[in-house]
Amino acid sequence: EAGVAQSPRYKIIEKRQSVAFWCNPISGHATLYWYQQILGQGPKLLIQFQNNGVVDDSQLPKDRFSAERLKGVDSTLKIQPAKLEDSAVYLCASSFGTSGGDTQYFGPGTRLTVL
Amino acid sequence: KQEVTQIPAALSVPEGENLVLNCSFTDSAIYNLQWFRQDPGKGLTSLLLIQSSQREQTSGRLNASLDKSSGRSTLYIAASQPGDSATYLCAGSNDYKLSFGAGTTVTVRA
Repeated sequence: EAGVAQSPRYKIIEKRQSVAFWCNPISGHATLYWYQQILGQGPKLLIQFQNNGVVDDSQLPKDRFSAERLKGVDSTLKIQPAKLEDSAVYLCASSFGTSGGDTQYFGPGTRLTVL
Repeated sequence: KQEVTQIPAALSVPEGENLVLNCSFTDSAIYNLQWFRQDPGKGLTSLLLIQSSQREQTSGRLNASLDKSSGRSTLYIAASQPGDSATYLCAGSNDYKLSFGAGTTVTVRA
């Protein structure tokens, strides 16, 4: 079974530039999550999709971050414009169901450096 | 809001020693608690998931316990090996949302 795929693996940009990350979840998984992990901290949930609908985006900085999951499969997370404090690893995860009892499977992450 | 704490932030043990990793959480109405492993430059790998109705889960050399009344979970790794060196994170789930601790970075010395 293929795991969660993410690209790119690394990205370096200047502040105020824009950047996009892509995630392809495990086939058949209804729920997709985007997390932000700042160095030395645990991951923080940015947004959760169930199929192609948003379940929770309460911690997504909506003035600069946006995400979509067209057709309920793969997803894109965008930052525009980027700030220095956005430097972090962006993790995508998926789970089969939608309840908290389902194991989440994580991708390798995208390491973003904002200069 | 669920707050999860892991202390210590790092520890180093000689090979063969048993590892005890601690996790505390603030909201006892926890749905489940999960332990993850994170290797440098990689994503998280789920190790164990304990449902709120359970007291412990075991997988090979790993055993995790859950005490909701005291707001604690402990991950035991028996007979540690250098390959166990990684960062271990616990996460509490309230409904669907996972709240992560900052992790404990473990180094097993050969």
